[in-house]
Amino acid sequence: TQLLEQSPQFLSIQEGENLTVYCNSSSVFSSLQWYRQEPGEGPVLLVTVVTGGEVKKLKRLTFQFGDARKDSSLHITAAQPGDTGLYLCAGVGRNRDDKIIFGKGTRLHILP
Amino acid sequence: DAGVIQSPRHEVTEMGQEVTLRCKPISGHDYLFWYRQTMMRGLELLIYFNNNVPIDDSGMPEDRFSAKMPNASFSTLKIQPSEPRDSAVYFCASSFFAAEAFFGQGTRLTVV
Repeated sequence: TQLLEQSPQFLSIQEGENLTVYCNSSSVFSSLQWYRQEPGEGPVLLVTVVTGGEVKKLKRLTFQFGDARKDSSLHITAAQPGDTGLYLCAGVGRNRDDKIIFGKGTRLHILP
Repeated sequence: DAGVIQSPRHEVTEMGQEVTLRCKPISGHDYLFWYRQTMMRGLELLIYFNNNVPIDDSGMPEDRFSAKMPNASFSTLKIQPSEPRDSAVYFCASSFFAAEAFFGQGTRLTVV
């Protein structure tokens, strides 16, 4: 069974601070995705990382895929209240027909 | 495209009643996923289809749950009989090549 562990589960910080959240697994994934979910809505894809060691930037968000393709991190610089939400990582297995497995998420709250 | 469309958005039903949730995936997507989200368990994959064929239903909690995909543009998730512990938000998602899932807005089910 492929499991994705996300940490921390909850994070509340002041506007302007930096933060990092983590996604770890004992399984290797062909790719890993990060989603953000706001209340009353479905998760929305932020980024997909495919290559071990890959780093992708999306404005103030930096995503990194571990060299062994088992883990990933999301770093937010100068957090803003609009960054508040549930951040979910999801792994896609090695085979094309593999399912998309989600972690339980990190609930982030940015205080103004 | 309007995205993934789910109906109803909210459903309140009495224990023992049959509940049917509906999903229209994005046109051209070949994968369809049904997820259930709760605070305790996060986003759990129930079942997924590829080209209308069920591939993995190992996440379906009990025989009370069933899902069908009669054609590429429609899927249903049925619970019969429903129980209070089935209360959750149910999401449908579709994707192309089992990557980058696009989610509907979900159906919030309350069984009393």
